[in-house]
Amino acid sequence: NAGVTQTPKFQVLKTGQSMTLQCAQDMNHEYMSWYRQDPGMGLRLIHYSVGAGITDQGEVPNGYNVSRSTTEDFPLRLLSAAPSQTSVYFCASSSLVIRDRSHEQYFGPGTRLTVT
Amino acid sequence: KNQVEQSPQSLIILEGKNCTLQCNYTVSPFSNLRWYKQDTGRGPVSLTIMTFSENTKSNGRYTATLDADTKQSSLHITASQLSDSASYICVVSVSGGYNKLIFGAGTRLAVHP
Repeated sequence: NAGVTQTPKFQVLKTGQSMTLQCAQDMNHEYMSWYRQDPGMGLRLIHYSVGAGITDQGEVPNGYNVSRSTTEDFPLRLLSAAPSQTSVYFCASSSLVIRDRSHEQYFGPGTRLTVT
Repeated sequence: KNQVEQSPQSLIILEGKNCTLQCNYTVSPFSNLRWYKQDTGRGPVSLTIMTFSENTKSNGRYTATLDADTKQSSLHITASQLSDSASYICVVSVSGGYNKLIFGAGTRLAVHP
């Protein structure tokens, strides 16, 4: 049971390049989400998904796309990278089962992205 | 506006000493309050989760308190160890949405020998 995994761990992009951050979980969780963490600020929600084929925007969705074709995977795409997207990105997952009232979120190890 | 504020921003203590971190929130409707520990270069890991009816919860040397009337929470660390050096993040969950979480900016704790 690996939990939530993310790749790559580090990435440097030039302005205008595109890339996909990978996220996978092996806990059969319905809910998956992407956050970005910037210095001096709390984590901010980018996009989330409540199941395969269902995605929605979070607090800061501009410049990012997501899809959810399987329960396990939730990739985040940067279509045209900008310096403002320099950040640390975390993927998280949790169960939506009613009996799991806490809906504990499990975070991946993060991807540190630098856009020059 | 839903907000979570933490204090202090950073803290240095000596190994073996106790410390208390503070969290004030203005989140409505409230569902639960969580404390996470985030080691450098790692993702956050849950320490405690408290609902409206719980006013204290422990996890080993970590004890969290919640005062829902004043909308304040604290995290007390007893007999600190070098491995406690990390950021501690207070997170409040909003009721009614899909796991809508409001994150504080965190308190960075350094434990020195």
